[in-house]
Amino acid sequence: DGGITQSPKYLFRKEGQNVTLSCEQNLNHDAMYWYRQDPGQGLRLIYYSQIVNDFQKGDIAEGYSVSREKKESFPLTVTSAQKNPTAFYLCASSMEVNYGYTFGSGTRLTVV
Amino acid sequence: GESVGLHLPTLSVQEGDNSIINCAYSNSASDYFIWYKQESGKGPQFIIDIRSNMDKRQGQRVTVLLNKTVKHLSLQIAATQPGDSAVYFCAEGTGFQKLVFGTGTRLLVSP
Repeated sequence: DGGITQSPKYLFRKEGQNVTLSCEQNLNHDAMYWYRQDPGQGLRLIYYSQIVNDFQKGDIAEGYSVSREKKESFPLTVTSAQKNPTAFYLCASSMEVNYGYTFGSGTRLTVV
Repeated sequence: GESVGLHLPTLSVQEGDNSIINCAYSNSASDYFIWYKQESGKGPQFIIDIRSNMDKRQGQRVTVLLNKTVKHLSLQIAATQPGDSAVYFCAEGTGFQKLVFGTGTRLLVSP
C-alpha cells in the first residue's frame, strides 16, 4: 500500500540538542511539506519542497532545516536554535502543490 | 495574508443527527477546497474536496457545499456516529499556491 511514514511517533530531546524527524513516502509525489501543530492552533508551514534538491522556507522556518536528496524522503532537523520546539510535527506530500495533501501520522516532539 | 477560518470551534451533536461544519474563506481567487478530519494524536485524513466550478459534491455520508458569493464552505455529515468525533478543518488552494489551512472545529458526538 502506498503511504507516507513518519518516525518516530514520540521523540524526547534535551535542550541544546539537534534532532531529526524522518518522513518517507512511496506515493511518487513530487511535493513534500513539514507542518507544526500546537494545541488549539492550525497547521503552520515550516518548509516545503516541490522537487528533489529544492526546498523553500515556510512561515516558521527559523530553527529548522531540511534536505531533499531523494524524491521519497524529506527529513526535518529541529536545531537547538528553535526556541520552543515542543509540538506535534506533521509531514505531508502531494502530486502537485495545488493538489490534496496526504499526511503522515505525525511525530510528537518533547523537549525535556 | 489570506486566511481560512471557521465559525464554530466546537460542535456537539447526538448520534444519528446530521452535522454541519462551516468554514469562511477570504481569498475570492481560491479555486480548490478540501475538508480534513483529524483524530486525537493522528495525522489529518482527507475527507472530500471540491473545485470552484462546482457548488456541491457528495461522498459517502458527507456533502460539501461551496457558496462563492459569500465565500463560505460547509461540510455536512449525515447520520453522525461516535467515530465521527474529531477535529475537522478546511483548506483552500489558489492556482499553484500551497494550501492554506483553517484552525479547525471540534465535533463531539454523544451516544
